[in-house]
Amino acid sequence: AQSVSQHNHHVILSEAASLELGCNYSYGGTVNLFWYVQYPGQHLQLLLKYFSGDPLVKGIKGFEAEFIKSKFSFNLRKPSVQWSDTAEYFCAVNLNSGYSTLTFGKGTMLLVSP
Amino acid sequence: DTGVSQDPRHKITKRGQNVTFRCDPISEHNRLYWYRQTLGQGPEFLTYFQNEAQLEKSRLLSDRFSAERPKGSFSTLEIQRTEQGDSAMYLCAIPRLGGYTFGSGTRLTVV
Repeated sequence: AQSVSQHNHHVILSEAASLELGCNYSYGGTVNLFWYVQYPGQHLQLLLKYFSGDPLVKGIKGFEAEFIKSKFSFNLRKPSVQWSDTAEYFCAVNLNSGYSTLTFGKGTMLLVSP
Repeated sequence: DTGVSQDPRHKITKRGQNVTFRCDPISEHNRLYWYRQTLGQGPEFLTYFQNEAQLEKSRLLSDRFSAERPKGSFSTLEIQRTEQGDSAMYLCAIPRLGGYTFGSGTRLTVV
C-alpha cells in the first residue's frame, strides 16, 4: 500500500525566511503528487500538483515543488514566507490512473512569526 | 465557496446515537469521496462512489458506517451507535480542476 511521509510535524519560521517542507512517498507505480494547504478554520485547498512533464511545478501564492523520481520525493518550497502562510500543509499521492484515491501525509504545521 | 457543500458543519452527539452527514457537490462528477481527518493526522480515505455505486471501502469503515449516493449526485454518510473514537472531521471531495476539491467538512464530537 502506498504511504506518504512528511518529515517535520511543526516548523517555525520568521517572515522572509525560506521554506522547504519534505515529502517522501512509497509507491510502486506511476503517481500523481499534490500539496494541499489548510489555513486555520478553513477547508483544504490545492496548492499545486504534479502529473507529468517538468518536475518543477509552480503553484499559487509563490509556492513551488520539485519531483525527484529517484528519491521518491516531492518537496515544497517558498523563497520568502509571509505571516499569512501560517497553515497546515499536506502532501498527497495517488496512482496516475483516472481519479484514484488520495493518500495523505500527516501534515506539517507551519507557524510564521511576524 | 469550495464547490462542495457539507451539512452540518458541526455535530455534537452522545455516545450510542446515530448521526448522518450530507455532501452536495455543486458541479457534477461521477466520482465522490469521503475522508476522515483526526487531530494530528492527514485525511484518511473512507470510501468512494462512481455514480451510485460504492466501489471501494477502507478498513476504517466499520459495519457501523454506511454511505449512499442514491441519484449519483449528493451523498450521505451515516454512523450508527457512535463511539468516542468516531470524533473527527468528515470530509467529502470530488475531482475538479485537475485535482480534488474538498468540502469544509462536518466536525463530529461524540460525548
